[in-house]
Amino acid sequence: GAVVSQHPSRVICKSGTSVKIECRSLDFQATTMFWYRQFPKQSLMLMATSNEGSKATYEQGVEKDKFLINHASLTLSTLTVTSAHPEDSSFYICSARLGSPDTQYFGPGTRLTVL
Amino acid sequence: GQQVMQIPQYQHVQEGEDFTTYCNSSTTLSNIQWYKQRPGGHPVFLIQLVKSGEVKKQKRLTFQFGEAKKNSSLHITATQTTDVGTYFCAGYSGYSTLTFGKGTMLLVSP
Repeated sequence: GAVVSQHPSRVICKSGTSVKIECRSLDFQATTMFWYRQFPKQSLMLMATSNEGSKATYEQGVEKDKFLINHASLTLSTLTVTSAHPEDSSFYICSARLGSPDTQYFGPGTRLTVL
Repeated sequence: GQQVMQIPQYQHVQEGEDFTTYCNSSTTLSNIQWYKQRPGGHPVFLIQLVKSGEVKKQKRLTFQFGEAKKNSSLHITATQTTDVGTYFCAGYSGYSTLTFGKGTMLLVSP
């Protein structure tokens, strides 16, 4: 149980295009999902908390107009990187919260490369 | 804000040697969680500790939560090459988000 999927697993795009990443909880409902960014050999950096039916909460320094988050259902959250640039290239990982005390279950991640 | 510090950053051991990573929080935690990330993979939940002084074991892995609920450790006995990866601790202080440590990268040579 507690499986989280992420799509796509890899994406290469040209500078200036937008990329949408989907995060799904497959066998449970998640009112809260999280989006992280991870640079090579570094820790997970929380970008935003996605709450079903309401606006996402962004961490300090994360541009909400650049990283659009939508959590339209209890099993799906999307992250759209708008007008992507090479510096946005990274590993993006989502997680979904489950249980009490809360545990986070991570998706397999999306490796974004912006040329 | 809450900070979680983890040491060492990196450790290289010979197969069969023991390994320990330590985690310290700047604030008291309601629970602490440990994750393992294999190279090229995503973090996988290992365990959660909730009670002060709690000790839990998973085969060769022993997890401890400090009495003050501000520190934790993960000890691996007799490492194997399959233990290779980065081990992250993550503290939850009752607010809405987990705070991750920077991780300890473990390399095991056969």
